[in-house]
Amino acid sequence: DMKVTQMPRYLIKRMGENVLLECGQDMSHETMYWYRQDPGLGLQLIYISYDVDSNSEGDIPKGYRVSRKKREHFSLILDSAKTNQTSVYFCASSFLGNTGQLYFGEGSKLTVL
Amino acid sequence: KTQVEQSPQSLVVRQGENCVLQCNYSVTPDNHLRWFKQDTGKGLVSLTVLVHENDKTSNGRYSATLDKDAKHSTLHITATLLDDTATYICVVGDRGSALGRLHFGAGTQLIVIP
Repeated sequence: DMKVTQMPRYLIKRMGENVLLECGQDMSHETMYWYRQDPGLGLQLIYISYDVDSNSEGDIPKGYRVSRKKREHFSLILDSAKTNQTSVYFCASSFLGNTGQLYFGEGSKLTVL
Repeated sequence: KTQVEQSPQSLVVRQGENCVLQCNYSVTPDNHLRWFKQDTGKGLVSLTVLVHENDKTSNGRYSATLDKDAKHSTLHITATLLDDTATYICVVGDRGSALGRLHFGAGTQLIVIP
């Protein structure tokens, strides 16, 4: 079906609570990404995963961790959320050696109070 | 420092008019350049990928050019429709695989009015 699915789409948490954002894809892509998008800025890479249990930090990994136990599933975890982590988070996937299609999910809007 | 600059920041056109969006970048190396469309509250959808020096692509009413010497790309939208209202994002890849980094512009917000 060529789709990247993110859950939940909207989430409100209090400062200090844990947050789990989930992402799934049905294209058997090796590579998956987590980005955040803030007003007036380009998307910033948090983590990239090249396959199961093969994850690398992006440009802004502090305060985040990830988990990839199955190729089709990539999770972003915030342990003790902070107010400055309020943002829209996007998951994406692609084949490893491909400048072709890059598929994005619809985003998860997180508000930390 | 922002390595991908898009202009204008926002643009209002009347339905049926043509428009041109600009992307200037300083990313080195510049392996390829992508344009995405992002509807409000939605994810990014790929419009085109440009790879080679002086590449030109066409995708329906969308056409794009790339000048690697000038590190500049344009996205042309002809005969705009109300559904073209969206943010258009320019992305430069510094490698030809996922091992490289993608550098995102902040986007141009296009509003098409009747």
